Amino acid sequence: EVQLVESGGGLLQPGGSLRLSCAASGFTFSEHNMNWVRQAPGKGLEWVSYISSSSSTLYFADSVKGRFTISRDNAKNSLYLQMNSLRAEDTAVYYCAREGRRVTTIDFWGQGTLVTVSS
Amino acid sequence: EIVLTQSPATLSLSPGERATLSCRASQSVSTYLAWYQQKPGQAPRLLIYDASNRATGVPARFSGSGSGTDFTLTISSLEPEDSAVYYCQQRSNWPPYTFGQGTKLEIK
Repeated sequence: EVQLVESGGGLLQPGGSLRLSCAASGFTFSEHNMNWVRQAPGKGLEWVSYISSSSSTLYFADSVKGRFTISRDNAKNSLYLQMNSLRAEDTAVYYCAREGRRVTTIDFWGQGTLVTVSS
Repeated sequence: EIVLTQSPATLSLSPGERATLSCRASQSVSTYLAWYQQKPGQAPRLLIYDASNRATGVPARFSGSGSGTDFTLTISSLEPEDSAVYYCQQRSNWPPYTFGQGTKLEIK
């Protein structure tokens, strides 16, 4: 069974830092490109970042560029999002999302972890 | 950045009725369009990819059509469990992936 389990969310003050993790199981993690997508409370979906299977290609949304970094450890079947200089507008549920190999888009999502940035 | 506009914002229909959800792109995305279903408190679930291909395990009552800038998600005969928010998403010209703002489908 495919599983993506996010962790690391929490409440923190503006300007703070946080590292999210996503543990993958039930599939060959090293063969899949991965993404982070977020959803502010009561709002729609916003793509945040992408990392290719080998970590050779990284992309970021303009809203997080220069503040967030994405990484992965294929030996540990894990995906990470390092978030620095957090702002109130970064408050959201953050989803780890897998890209398919046969399916040419995001085909599976974790349950998400909530990040709240507030003073 | 490609903008996706979904309509209507809210749709209220009865079980057994047909639902038609629209997604319009600000420029052509060819057929690189997907549809997701999100129920309250849950993660999104892929329904349709490449405009018209059903994802694994998706019931046959869900179908997608369109190309270029205009796309439709059709649910042929609504079930109570189809109550959800539906999002379209493009991957033609990315980054970034972009999503529509969502259509909330209510089953009376």
